Amino acid sequence: NAGVTQTPKFQVLKTGQSMTLQCAQDMNHEYMSWYRQDPGMGLRLIHYSVGAGITDQGEVPNGYNVSRSTTEDFPLRLLSAAPSQTSVYFCASSTRLAGLLNTGELFFGEGSRLTVL
Amino acid sequence: AQKVTQAQTEISVVEKEDVTLDCVYETRDTTYYLFWYKQPPSGELVFLIRRNSFDEQNEISGRYSWNFQKSTSSFNFTITASQVVDSAVYFCALNSGYALNFGKGTSLLVTP
Repeated sequence: NAGVTQTPKFQVLKTGQSMTLQCAQDMNHEYMSWYRQDPGMGLRLIHYSVGAGITDQGEVPNGYNVSRSTTEDFPLRLLSAAPSQTSVYFCASSTRLAGLLNTGELFFGEGSRLTVL
Repeated sequence: AQKVTQAQTEISVVEKEDVTLDCVYETRDTTYYLFWYKQPPSGELVFLIRRNSFDEQNEISGRYSWNFQKSTSSFNFTITASQVVDSAVYFCALNSGYALNFGKGTSLLVTP
């Protein structure tokens, strides 16, 4: 029972490089999201998706792109990494969508620690 | 706007003490959900509880209890007889439509 799987767990980038953080869930969850966690800032929502082909911005979307071509996968792309994107990234999924409300608990991946030099 | 405030940044207690973690929220919605998550030193995020806005009953689960008061927009979390294993960062969260908004967290340190 894998749950939410994130890869890679650790990554070091140079400023300007691009990369993709992968996220996959095997629970058939409609809702998937990406958060970043920085010291003293809690968890901030980057992007989310309520189903294949549907994505939307969260609180801190700048510098990140997402797509959702399948229910299972929700990759996060950094097109031109900046030191300000050094953070721990968490992917999370949820199954309970009631209309416009996400009522369910979030299942989190183990996190991906990204350092941008 | 949706907002969650956890005013206590860090709390340190001695084992067996009771400790309460405060959470105050702001929302204009009449239907919403509140959550608590635990993040132990290992880094994973663990779901603890969900409470909807229509259910103000307090909940107890072992040494954990939660006090939800709509009148004061608070959803406080109490650990009774704390243990070293309770040392973690605790996050309160509020859903805003599809998005879950987290507070900045309270770091709890329980020493022997």
